[in-house]
Amino acid sequence: QSALTQPASVSGSPGQSITISCTGTSSDVGGYNYVSWYQQHPGKAPKLMIYDVSNRPSGVSNRFSGSKSGNTASLTISGLQAEDEADYYCSSYTSSSTDVVFGGGTKLTVL
Amino acid sequence: QLQLQESGPGLVKPSETLSLTCTVSGGSISSSSYYWGWIRQPPGKGLEWIGSIYYSGSTYYNPSLKSRVTISVDTSKNQFSLKLSSVTAADTAVYYCARGLTDFDYWGQGTLVTVSS
Repeated sequence: QSALTQPASVSGSPGQSITISCTGTSSDVGGYNYVSWYQQHPGKAPKLMIYDVSNRPSGVSNRFSGSKSGNTASLTISGLQAEDEADYYCSSYTSSSTDVVFGGGTKLTVL
Repeated sequence: QLQLQESGPGLVKPSETLSLTCTVSGGSISSSSYYWGWIRQPPGKGLEWIGSIYYSGSTYYNPSLKSRVTISVDTSKNQFSLKLSSVTAADTAVYYCARGLTDFDYWGQGTLVTVSS
Protein backbone atom coordinates (compact mmCIF):
# COMPACT_ATOMS: atom_id res chain seq x y z
CA GLN A 1 0.00 0.00 0.00
CA SER A 2 1.42 3.35 -1.11
CA ALA A 3 1.92 6.05 1.50
CA LEU A 4 0.39 8.71 -0.74
CA THR A 5 -3.08 8.21 -2.23
CA GLN A 6 -3.81 9.02 -5.86
CA PRO A 7 -6.86 8.20 -7.98
CA ALA A 8 -6.21 5.17 -10.16
CA SER A 9 -7.35 6.93 -13.30
CA VAL A 10 -8.53 10.23 -14.68
CA SER A 11 -9.57 11.22 -18.17
CA GLY A 12 -10.27 14.29 -20.22
CA SER A 13 -10.78 15.49 -23.74
CA PRO A 14 -8.21 17.45 -25.74
CA GLY A 15 -8.19 21.08 -24.71
CA GLN A 16 -9.76 20.44 -21.34
CA SER A 17 -8.12 20.72 -17.93
CA ILE A 18 -7.75 17.91 -15.45
CA THR A 19 -6.49 17.72 -11.87
CA ILE A 20 -4.83 14.76 -10.17
CA SER A 21 -4.85 14.69 -6.39
CA CYS A 22 -2.24 13.27 -4.03
CA THR A 23 -3.31 12.85 -0.42
CA GLY A 24 -0.92 12.24 2.43
CA THR A 25 -0.59 13.30 6.04
CA SER A 26 0.92 16.06 8.13
CA SER A 27 4.12 13.98 8.23
CA ASP A 28 4.64 14.27 4.50
CA VAL A 29 2.56 16.34 2.04
CA GLY A 30 1.06 18.58 4.70
CA GLY A 31 4.25 19.16 6.63
CA TYR A 32 6.79 19.97 3.95
CA ASN A 33 6.98 21.75 0.61
CA TYR A 34 8.82 18.85 -0.98
CA VAL A 35 6.11 17.46 -3.26
CA SER A 36 7.11 16.38 -6.74
CA TRP A 37 5.20 15.09 -9.76
CA TYR A 38 6.47 12.72 -12.44
CA GLN A 39 5.14 11.77 -15.88
CA GLN A 40 5.87 8.28 -17.16
CA HIS A 41 5.10 7.02 -20.64
CA PRO A 42 5.00 3.24 -21.20
CA GLY A 43 8.45 1.70 -21.21
CA LYS A 44 10.13 5.00 -20.37
CA ALA A 45 11.78 6.46 -17.31
CA PRO A 46 9.78 8.93 -15.21
CA LYS A 47 10.19 12.61 -16.03
CA LEU A 48 10.13 15.31 -13.36
CA MET A 49 7.29 17.73 -14.09
CA ILE A 50 6.91 19.65 -10.81
CA TYR A 51 9.16 19.96 -7.74
CA ASP A 52 8.79 21.70 -4.40
CA VAL A 53 4.98 21.72 -4.81
CA SER A 54 4.70 24.20 -7.65
CA ASN A 55 8.02 24.71 -9.44
CA ARG A 56 8.51 23.60 -13.05
CA PRO A 57 11.93 22.39 -14.24
CA SER A 58 13.31 24.11 -17.30
CA GLY A 59 11.69 22.77 -20.45
CA VAL A 60 8.43 21.61 -18.86
CA SER A 61 5.34 23.15 -20.43
CA ASN A 62 3.52 25.82 -18.43
CA ARG A 63 0.36 23.78 -19.03
CA PHE A 64 1.50 21.78 -16.00
CA SER A 65 1.02 23.36 -12.58
CA GLY A 66 1.16 22.16 -9.00
CA SER A 67 -0.42 23.27 -5.75
CA LYS A 68 -1.07 22.11 -2.21
CA SER A 69 -3.80 22.55 0.38
CA GLY A 70 -3.41 20.91 3.74
CA ASN A 71 -2.45 17.28 3.29
CA THR A 72 -3.42 17.15 -0.39
CA ALA A 73 -1.27 18.16 -3.33
CA SER A 74 -2.61 18.56 -6.84
CA LEU A 75 -1.28 18.47 -10.38
CA THR A 76 -3.30 20.37 -12.96
CA ILE A 77 -2.81 19.94 -16.68
CA SER A 78 -4.51 22.55 -18.82
CA GLY A 79 -5.13 22.39 -22.57
CA LEU A 80 -4.90 18.60 -22.59
CA GLN A 81 -2.99 17.12 -25.50
CA ALA A 82 -2.77 13.54 -26.74
CA GLU A 83 0.89 13.39 -25.69
CA ASP A 84 -0.11 14.01 -22.06
CA GLU A 85 -1.57 10.50 -21.90
CA ALA A 86 0.69 8.75 -19.40
CA ASP A 87 1.00 7.62 -15.80
CA TYR A 88 1.57 10.33 -13.21
CA TYR A 89 3.19 9.83 -9.82
CA CYS A 90 3.46 12.19 -6.89
CA SER A 91 6.16 11.97 -4.25
CA SER A 92 6.93 13.71 -0.99
CA TYR A 93 9.56 13.93 1.66
CA THR A 94 8.32 12.27 4.83
CA SER A 95 9.43 12.46 8.43
CA SER A 96 7.96 9.05 9.18
CA SER A 97 8.95 5.67 7.74
CA THR A 98 10.95 6.34 4.58
CA ASP A 99 12.50 9.65 3.66
CA VAL A 100 10.78 9.69 0.28
CA VAL A 101 7.38 8.21 -0.50
CA PHE A 102 5.57 7.86 -3.81
CA GLY A 103 1.90 7.73 -4.63
CA GLY A 104 0.45 4.69 -6.33
CA GLY A 105 0.18 6.47 -9.67
CA THR A 106 -2.66 7.79 -11.81
CA LYS A 107 -3.30 6.77 -15.40
CA LEU A 108 -4.35 9.74 -17.49
CA THR A 109 -6.38 8.95 -20.57
CA VAL A 110 -6.92 11.62 -23.21
CA LEU A 111 -10.23 10.77 -24.85
CA GLN B 1 23.60 17.26 -20.85
CA LEU B 2 23.79 15.01 -17.82
CA GLN B 3 23.22 11.33 -18.59
CA LEU B 4 22.89 8.33 -16.30
CA GLN B 5 23.23 4.70 -17.35
CA GLU B 6 22.52 1.61 -15.27
CA SER B 7 24.49 -1.59 -15.79
CA GLY B 8 24.53 -5.01 -14.21
CA PRO B 9 23.12 -8.53 -14.48
CA GLY B 10 19.54 -8.87 -15.68
CA LEU B 11 19.03 -12.17 -13.87
CA VAL B 12 19.81 -12.91 -10.24
CA LYS B 13 19.13 -16.10 -8.32
CA PRO B 14 17.01 -16.09 -5.15
CA SER B 15 19.01 -15.49 -1.94
CA GLU B 16 21.89 -13.94 -3.92
CA THR B 17 22.96 -10.29 -4.09
CA LEU B 18 21.75 -7.92 -6.78
CA SER B 19 24.50 -5.51 -7.88
CA LEU B 20 23.98 -2.53 -10.18
CA THR B 21 26.17 0.40 -11.18
CA CYS B 22 25.11 3.81 -12.45
CA THR B 23 27.60 5.67 -14.63
CA VAL B 24 27.19 9.43 -14.78
CA SER B 25 28.37 11.34 -17.85
CA GLY B 26 28.17 14.98 -18.85
CA GLY B 27 28.97 16.17 -15.34
CA SER B 28 30.93 15.29 -12.24
CA ILE B 29 29.21 13.29 -9.53
CA SER B 30 31.09 15.33 -6.93
CA SER B 31 31.02 18.81 -8.44
CA SER B 32 27.70 19.98 -7.01
CA SER B 33 25.56 19.53 -3.93
CA TYR B 34 23.47 16.71 -5.33
CA TYR B 35 22.37 13.37 -4.03
CA TRP B 36 22.26 10.31 -6.28
CA GLY B 37 19.57 7.71 -5.82
CA TRP B 38 18.03 4.40 -6.77
CA ILE B 39 14.33 3.86 -7.44
CA ARG B 40 12.65 0.64 -8.54
CA GLN B 41 9.39 -0.29 -10.22
CA PRO B 42 8.01 -3.85 -10.18
CA PRO B 43 6.34 -4.83 -13.46
CA GLY B 44 2.97 -3.11 -13.76
CA LYS B 45 3.33 -1.39 -10.39
CA GLY B 46 4.37 1.95 -8.93
CA LEU B 47 7.66 3.52 -7.95
CA GLU B 48 9.57 2.73 -4.78
CA TRP B 49 12.50 4.77 -3.48
CA ILE B 50 15.40 2.54 -2.43
CA GLY B 51 17.91 5.07 -1.19
CA SER B 52 20.19 7.99 -2.02
CA ILE B 53 23.85 8.89 -1.48
CA TYR B 54 25.84 12.13 -1.38
CA TYR B 55 29.21 12.24 -3.13
CA SER B 56 30.86 12.35 0.29
CA GLY B 57 29.28 9.00 1.12
CA SER B 58 26.37 10.03 3.35
CA THR B 59 23.43 7.74 2.72
CA TYR B 60 19.67 7.60 3.23
CA TYR B 61 17.85 4.29 2.87
CA ASN B 62 14.22 3.19 2.69
CA PRO B 63 13.68 1.59 6.15
CA SER B 64 11.80 -1.31 4.59
CA LEU B 65 14.94 -2.27 2.62
CA LYS B 66 17.65 -0.85 4.87
CA SER B 67 18.80 -4.19 6.28
CA ARG B 68 19.55 -5.48 2.77
CA VAL B 69 20.72 -2.35 0.91
CA THR B 70 24.12 -0.77 0.43
CA ILE B 71 24.67 2.24 -1.81
CA SER B 72 28.20 3.40 -2.47
CA VAL B 73 29.92 6.01 -4.63
CA ASP B 74 33.17 5.96 -6.61
CA THR B 75 33.98 9.55 -7.53
CA SER B 76 37.10 8.51 -9.49
CA LYS B 77 34.90 6.56 -11.90
CA ASN B 78 31.94 8.96 -11.68
CA GLN B 79 29.76 6.04 -10.62
CA PHE B 80 27.52 5.01 -7.78
CA SER B 81 26.34 1.51 -7.02
CA LEU B 82 23.54 -0.50 -5.46
CA LYS B 83 23.78 -3.81 -3.68
CA LEU B 84 20.63 -5.59 -2.51
CA SER B 85 21.21 -8.83 -0.64
CA SER B 86 19.06 -11.91 -0.08
CA VAL B 87 16.83 -11.18 -3.03
CA THR B 88 13.49 -12.87 -3.65
CA ALA B 89 11.01 -12.78 -6.52
CA ALA B 90 9.50 -9.67 -4.90
CA ASP B 91 12.67 -7.80 -5.83
CA THR B 92 12.03 -8.31 -9.54
CA ALA B 93 11.70 -4.81 -10.97
CA VAL B 94 13.04 -2.19 -13.30
CA TYR B 95 15.78 -0.41 -11.35
CA TYR B 96 16.43 3.24 -12.10
CA CYS B 97 19.28 5.45 -11.02
CA ALA B 98 18.56 9.15 -10.74
CA ARG B 99 19.92 12.42 -9.42
CA GLY B 100 18.33 13.74 -6.26
CA LEU B 101 16.95 13.06 -2.80
CA THR B 102 13.51 14.66 -2.43
CA ASP B 103 13.04 15.06 -6.17
CA PHE B 104 14.76 13.37 -9.10
CA ASP B 105 15.51 15.48 -12.16
CA TYR B 106 17.73 13.22 -14.24
CA TRP B 107 17.03 9.50 -14.67
CA GLY B 108 18.71 6.56 -16.30
CA GLN B 109 16.71 4.51 -18.79
CA GLY B 110 16.23 1.74 -16.25
CA THR B 111 17.30 -1.88 -16.23
CA LEU B 112 15.07 -4.89 -15.62
CA VAL B 113 16.36 -7.27 -12.99
CA THR B 114 14.58 -10.59 -12.70
CA VAL B 115 15.02 -12.79 -9.64
CA SER B 116 14.62 -16.39 -10.66
CA SER B 117 16.44 -19.70 -10.38
